[in-house]
Amino acid sequence: EAGVAQSPRYKIIEKRQSVAFWCNPISGHATLYWYQQILGQGPKLLIQFQNNGVVDDSQLPKDRFSAERLKGVDSTLKIQPAKLEDSAVYLCASSLDRASYGYTFGSGTRLTVV
Amino acid sequence: GESVGLHLPTLSVQEGDNSIINCAYSNSASDYFIWYKQESGKGPQFIIDIRSNMDKRQGQRVTVLLNKTVKHLSLQIAATQPGDSAVYFCAEMTRGGSEKLVFGKGTKLTVNP
Repeated sequence: EAGVAQSPRYKIIEKRQSVAFWCNPISGHATLYWYQQILGQGPKLLIQFQNNGVVDDSQLPKDRFSAERLKGVDSTLKIQPAKLEDSAVYLCASSLDRASYGYTFGSGTRLTVV
Repeated sequence: GESVGLHLPTLSVQEGDNSIINCAYSNSASDYFIWYKQESGKGPQFIIDIRSNMDKRQGQRVTVLLNKTVKHLSLQIAATQPGDSAVYFCAEMTRGGSEKLVFGKGTKLTVNP
C-alpha cells in the first residue's frame, strides 16, 4: 500500500512569512496526526483529526498555527506568521482509527525559518 | 509535559554486538508502548510494540522488555548491523481520551564496522 505522502520536502522562509504543508494519508485511514519534531528531540503532537473533526489540538499554538482536514482525507497545516523557533520537521501520520495503534509516518517537511 | 525520556542520548557499538537502548517513563497510566527507528531524512518507522499486560515481546532480532515496577522500557537488538544505525525513540500511549502517542527524546545508535 502507498505510504503517507507529504509535500514539500523542504521549505525555507523568512520570519513573519506564512507557509503551508500538505499531507495525504494512507487510503482508508480515518485518523490523521501532525507532529512537530525539533532537531534533537522526539516528535510532539500538534493536532489529531478523526475523519474531518479535531480530536486533540491542545498543543497547537493557535495564535499562529492552523490545520484542516476537509472531506476527511488530505490535510493542510499552516503557520502564519512564522517565527524562528518554528524551524523543525513537520511529520504527518495516519492510522486506521483511534483504537488502532499502527501509526504510519510520512517523511516529513523540513522547515527552516531565517 | 513530556513523560517519556531516555537514559542515554548516544550509543556506539561494534557490528555483531548486541545493543540495549533504555527508556524511562513517568506516567503509570500508560498502557501501550512502541519503539520507533528514525533514519536521517525519514519519518519514524515502527519496530515493535508491547502492551502493559506483558513484560517481554520478541520480534525479528529485537526484543522489548517492560518493567512496570520501575517504569522502564528497553529495546534489545541482537547482532547489530550497520543498517541499524539510526535514532531510536520510545513512545507511550494512554488509552482513553485522545489516545495520542507521547515520544521521548531519542537515542542515537551508531554501529561501527
